[in-house]
Amino acid sequence: DTEVTQTPKHLVMGMTNKKSLKCEQHMGHRAMYWYKQKAKKPPELMFVYSYEKLSINESVPSRFSPECPNSSLLNLHLHALQPEDSALYLCASRLDTNGETQYFGPGTRLLVL
Amino acid sequence: GENVEQHPSTLSVQEGDSAVIKCTYSDSASNYFPWYKQELGKRPQLIIDIRSNVGEKKDQRIAVTLNKTAKHFSLHITETQPEDSAVYFCAAISPSDTGNQFYFGTGTSLTVIP
Repeated sequence: DTEVTQTPKHLVMGMTNKKSLKCEQHMGHRAMYWYKQKAKKPPELMFVYSYEKLSINESVPSRFSPECPNSSLLNLHLHALQPEDSALYLCASRLDTNGETQYFGPGTRLLVL
Repeated sequence: GENVEQHPSTLSVQEGDSAVIKCTYSDSASNYFPWYKQELGKRPQLIIDIRSNVGEKKDQRIAVTLNKTAKHFSLHITETQPEDSAVYFCAAISPSDTGNQFYFGTGTSLTVIP
């Protein structure tokens, strides 16, 4: 299985809502990533997990809270988001943080009203 | 840190013609250069990559060239087809204390006109 999956595909939420994005991979990868992507722009790194521990937080606001329950799962908890947070949220994984080949999930398209 | 520049930002070609996208990087320690294709509403997909010890790599209609001295690399698509229309991102991977860091170019929106 060489695939990263993400749920949900689409999400609409109000600024007072709490929601979560989910990412899963069964490739045995030990590095997992959250990216934010605006239309026709490159993905922007948000968080990096290495062996289930947060290794990089790219100064992301606290309204985004990542969680890595186990080596196959990565969550992104959302609370009190702003309209400017509307974007495509991509999960990615690599064998480990020294790996080269990065596999992206299909993304969750988030709209904050 | 690394800085990757990508040109052009938009490119339109007639079907059957060739398309070339160019990227430059700043960190001489960067050693791996993947190219991603992202169709509208879909995930970025790796289409070809090249390592710093190789000057050229080809896969059917797609080729990538690397000039380490000049710190630039290019994507070449020959005999373009409408399904090649997408946004293409180059990237440079640079080693760091926290592992290999990905630095993406700004993207090229390619349109192949039938």
